[in-house]
Amino acid sequence: SQELEQSPQSLIVQEGKNLTINCTSSKTLYGLYWYKQKYGEGLIFLMMLQKGGEEKSHEKITAKLDEKKQQSSLHITASQPSHAGIYLCGADYNQGGKLIFGQGTELSVKP
Amino acid sequence: ETGVTQSPTHLIKTRGQQVTLRCSSQSGHNTVSWYQQALGQGPQFIFQYYREEENGRGNFPPRFSGLQFPNYSSELNVNALELDDSALYLCATRRPGQGNTGELFFGEGSRLTVL
Repeated sequence: SQELEQSPQSLIVQEGKNLTINCTSSKTLYGLYWYKQKYGEGLIFLMMLQKGGEEKSHEKITAKLDEKKQQSSLHITASQPSHAGIYLCGADYNQGGKLIFGQGTELSVKP
Repeated sequence: ETGVTQSPTHLIKTRGQQVTLRCSSQSGHNTVSWYQQALGQGPQFIFQYYREEENGRGNFPPRFSGLQFPNYSSELNVNALELDDSALYLCATRRPGQGNTGELFFGEGSRLTVL
């Protein structure tokens, strides 16, 4: 089984709707990173969470890390076509620099 | 723009050949790591270099090797290419002073196809 599971694997929403992507770890993590990727391109950093219960926002995107530091959610409010892409969570388990990534969530936003 | 440049952007090789991928970053980014991303999957960590020394490696065979140069640019070399090596190879760097945490700046990747 995967160390880091993302759900759902894919998501289609109507423009203007809210949505949530989840990332669940099988063990306590040191830090959790959220990235966005356009198909076949590099990863764009969204947010990093390190403290249990931490919540960060950037424009219409909010990410939270639970108190146990095993689960994170990414919430997009009033989605727009520009939000479409693949969202990846990456876990740092030991401050060694290595990130373990989930398999990604592909988001489509219908105008 | 992350300031991380990779080359080439696309290349096609045949089984058994060797390939070298290159990465350069913003001045002073002294930690570089390489990831392999197969189609439909998340990136997988290959290895990390800090000040020209490898200081972390994922579950990849020895035919995957790397170098980091004094200007902190880096190369990923893959020998004896196999069909399963077809993937997007991503280079990522960190700012100095952040240790092993903090934002990873990713390049656009090199798309390798092995026939």
